[in-house]
Amino acid sequence: QSALTQPPSASETPGQRVTISCSGSSSNIGTYTVNWYQQLPGTAPKLLIYNNFQRPSGVPDRFSGSKSGTSASLAISGLQSGDEADYYCAAWDDSLNGPVFGGGTKLTVL
Amino acid sequence: EVQLVQSGAEVKKAGESLKISCETSGFRFSSNWIGWVRQVPGKGLEWMGLIYPGDSDIRYSPSFQGQVTISADKSISTVYLQWSSLKASDTAIYYCATHWWNDESRYFDYWGQGTLLTVSS
Repeated sequence: QSALTQPPSASETPGQRVTISCSGSSSNIGTYTVNWYQQLPGTAPKLLIYNNFQRPSGVPDRFSGSKSGTSASLAISGLQSGDEADYYCAAWDDSLNGPVFGGGTKLTVL
Repeated sequence: EVQLVQSGAEVKKAGESLKISCETSGFRFSSNWIGWVRQVPGKGLEWMGLIYPGDSDIRYSPSFQGQVTISADKSISTVYLQWSSLKASDTAIYYCATHWWNDESRYFDYWGQGTLLTVSS
C-alpha cells in the first residue's frame, strides 16, 4: 500500500480538463514539496511537475500542479490523446527517509 | 545533455546473482545523488535506494535494505544495483534516475530507459 493515495483511474474527453488528486500525511506532503511524473505506455517515467507547481523546460503549460496541506493535485487542460499515460505523485517522506510515490493514476482520453 | 544508459534486459534463475548498471554522462557524477526505482509489471513505482558517488553515502528504503546492494564507480560515472541471490519476486523493471536534493526540493529529474529483469523459479 502506497503512502500517497491517488485514484487508480481518470478519464475525460479531448479538449477538456481533468484533475488528479494525491493525498498524503504530515510526514510527506505536509512537510515537503510534491512532484509529478508522467509515464507514457512502454516508456520510463518523466518529471512533469516539481516543487508543487514548477514545470521543467519543455513541459506545456497545459499541465499545472498545486498543493494544500497534506494533499496535492495535477490538472491537465486541453486534453490530447497523447496525454494518455500513468501519472504518479511523489514526495519525500520522513518515516521512510526517502521519496515515496503514489500508486499511480491511469488517464484515459475518451 | 544529461544521459543515463542502463544495461540490457536480463533473464535469470532464482538463486543466481546479478549486477545491472547505469552509465551516466552530461553532469557532475560525484556531486549528484542517483537513485534506483523498481516497477513490477503492471504496478507502480517504488523507491529502492539512493547513492551519492562523491562520498559513497548510500540510503536504502527499508523494503530493500539487505535485499540489494547499490554501488558506484566514479572513474566511469556508473552506478550499479546488485543481487546476491535472486528471487522470482525480483521480476520487474529497474530504473536509475538522478535525484535533485536540497533543503527545499527533492525529486528525480532524469531517468534511464529501464532494465527488465525476469527471474524464473
